[in-house]
Amino acid sequence: KNEVEQSPQNLTAQEGEFITINCSYSVGISALHWLQQHPGGGIVSLFMLSSGKKKHGRLIATINIQEKHSSLHITASHPRDSAVYICAHGGSQGNLIFGKGTKLSVKP
Amino acid sequence: KAGVTQTPRYLIKTRGQQVTLSCSPISGHRSVSWYQQTPGQGLQFLFEYFSETQRNKGNFPGRFSGRQFSNSRSEMNVSTLELGDSALYLCASSALAGVDNEQFFGPGTRLTVL
Repeated sequence: KNEVEQSPQNLTAQEGEFITINCSYSVGISALHWLQQHPGGGIVSLFMLSSGKKKHGRLIATINIQEKHSSLHITASHPRDSAVYICAHGGSQGNLIFGKGTKLSVKP
Repeated sequence: KAGVTQTPRYLIKTRGQQVTLSCSPISGHRSVSWYQQTPGQGLQFLFEYFSETQRNKGNFPGRFSGRQFSNSRSEMNVSTLELGDSALYLCASSALAGVDNEQFFGPGTRLTVL
């Protein structure tokens, strides 16, 4: 059983729409990572957060530690936001445990 | 600052062979972690090195090994390759030890085992 659940698995949006991707986890954590992976494989770290909310440009990440839930929001989505978004957290073995990812496609 | 670099970017091997992949972290970063990504299993942690010492290891067979040099460059080796080892292998560097620090990923090495 994957300890990190993401929803939705796939998401298609029109340019300009507000997008929300959800991540739920089952254990207490120190921090949660949001990553972006473009076709071709390269991964970029978007956020690492342990409480509250962080914002970078059109991207906003929130986390509720008590509910073990985090969301990634994209405002005014653009085709260049099309990518796979992955959440992850540290595991008991000192590893990172990843969600399966949400594939986002933004149509012009 | 230059980003994380991985060589080679693409590799084709046959079953039974061995392979060595290389990762050069961002200058000043002493932690290097390795990950395997496959369509079926997604991203999985292989191991983390910090200051030439392996700190943590994921649930992979002993055919997967790694090391880190004094300049923080890291290599991972897979011996006796199997078809299932075909994957994208990513490394990430971080300034501090432990995965709960911002990870900077390399472009990956795509390994195909025939």
